[in-house]
Amino acid sequence: KQEVTQIPAALSVPEGENLVLNCSFTDSAIYNLQWFRQDPGKGLTSLLLIQSSQREQTSGRLNASLDKSSGRSTLYIAASQPGDSATYLCASRGSTLGRLYFGRGTQLTVWP
Amino acid sequence: KAGVTQTPRYLIKTRGQQVTLSCSPISGHRSVSWYQQTPGQGLQFLFEYFSETQRNKGNFPGRFSGRQFSNSRSEMNVSTLELGDSALYLCASSLGPVDGYTFGSGTRLTVV
Repeated sequence: KQEVTQIPAALSVPEGENLVLNCSFTDSAIYNLQWFRQDPGKGLTSLLLIQSSQREQTSGRLNASLDKSSGRSTLYIAASQPGDSATYLCASRGSTLGRLYFGRGTQLTVWP
Repeated sequence: KAGVTQTPRYLIKTRGQQVTLSCSPISGHRSVSWYQQTPGQGLQFLFEYFSETQRNKGNFPGRFSGRQFSNSRSEMNVSTLELGDSALYLCASSLGPVDGYTFGSGTRLTVV
């Protein structure tokens, strides 16, 4: 069974810092990995999707990398802003069947 | 293009009652998944439907059931509600195996 772990569980930083959020998974036979953002009481917003054959994806200030062999993915946030404050979740998809395995998330607070 | 729509947004039910939640996926998406999110357990997979067939099921009691209609809309039903069923229920849809999942805003269920 796939286990997904996210470190750190919480992070509080001043505005402008560059951040790295970590995600590790136990079964490297993944189909793809997706990073989400969740604001309190809301649904999940997809940030980046990395296919198993890819090494990284970029969208604006966000960059996600994937290393299947070591079972790790990182989400890099450049020049953080207060509006980035949210919980960030990573999820792996192990097969064509539609089940995602989620980590517990990293709760990010960016203060002015 | 319309996103994933979940109705209702909020529900308050009494123990022992039953409840039905609805999810309309993005047009063209045939895979629909359901998740339960609680502070204690995080995101837990309930089930996934594809073309009206349940392809995958999580570890939940039989009180939790679902179905998918020919237009890909999905419903989930919880019978004999318990206090522990209070949670945010999230629905997600996907176009295919290599595509990511798009989540709805969720239904917040409170059982009193």
